[in-house]
Amino acid sequence: SQTIHQWPATLVQPVGSPLSLECTVEGTSNPNLYWYRQAAGRGLQLLFYSVGIGQISSEVPQNLSASRPQDRQFILSSKKLLLSDSGFYLCAWTRDRVSYTFGSGTRLTVV
Amino acid sequence: RKEVEQDPGPFNVPEGATVAFNCTYSNSASQSFFWYRQDCRKEPKLLMSVYSSGNEDGRFTAQLNRASQYISLLIRDSKLSDSATYLCVVNIGTGGFKTIFGAGTRLFVKA
Repeated sequence: SQTIHQWPATLVQPVGSPLSLECTVEGTSNPNLYWYRQAAGRGLQLLFYSVGIGQISSEVPQNLSASRPQDRQFILSSKKLLLSDSGFYLCAWTRDRVSYTFGSGTRLTVV
Repeated sequence: RKEVEQDPGPFNVPEGATVAFNCTYSNSASQSFFWYRQDCRKEPKLLMSVYSSGNEDGRFTAQLNRASQYISLLIRDSKLSDSATYLCVVNIGTGGFKTIFGAGTRLFVKA
């Protein structure tokens, strides 16, 4: 069966510090991978998606970036965090772009 | 106007009650529809798809009204374990479609 791993679960980072969140998928190949952010009381906001190694599409211009160095690995990064980057970050995968399976999420607080 | 709108609630209901949530969408090109469940501080999980003819899964019934552009979720005989946030999800278009997540409706079921 397919599983998706995401870490860390929680993170407290100072403003201006770098960020690296990692997501890996097991049990499938060539998945479509996504990074979402959920702010309190708001819907999930799509940040990046990838249909293959090295292929990244950005939905929202901001100080975040994503990379897909391997088929089942998706990384979210920032060189300098802003207060507004705080939120619940979720990695997800889908095979059919119909239903999504999410990782357990990273709760990021920028202080 | 938001592409997907939900009543944020919270809905507070006693065990055994029947509760219904509505979700409206603005894009007539919306193709497929889903309900996800999200427990507090956890990732969303697919609850059920919504079919044009309506569909049922145990105590849960989902319906779609394309003419009025809304979907609904009915929960019968509510359980304490049904307490969660329910997200309405809409896929817009075909081919390169995009997925929109509603902000969710919070449900509290009390003993």
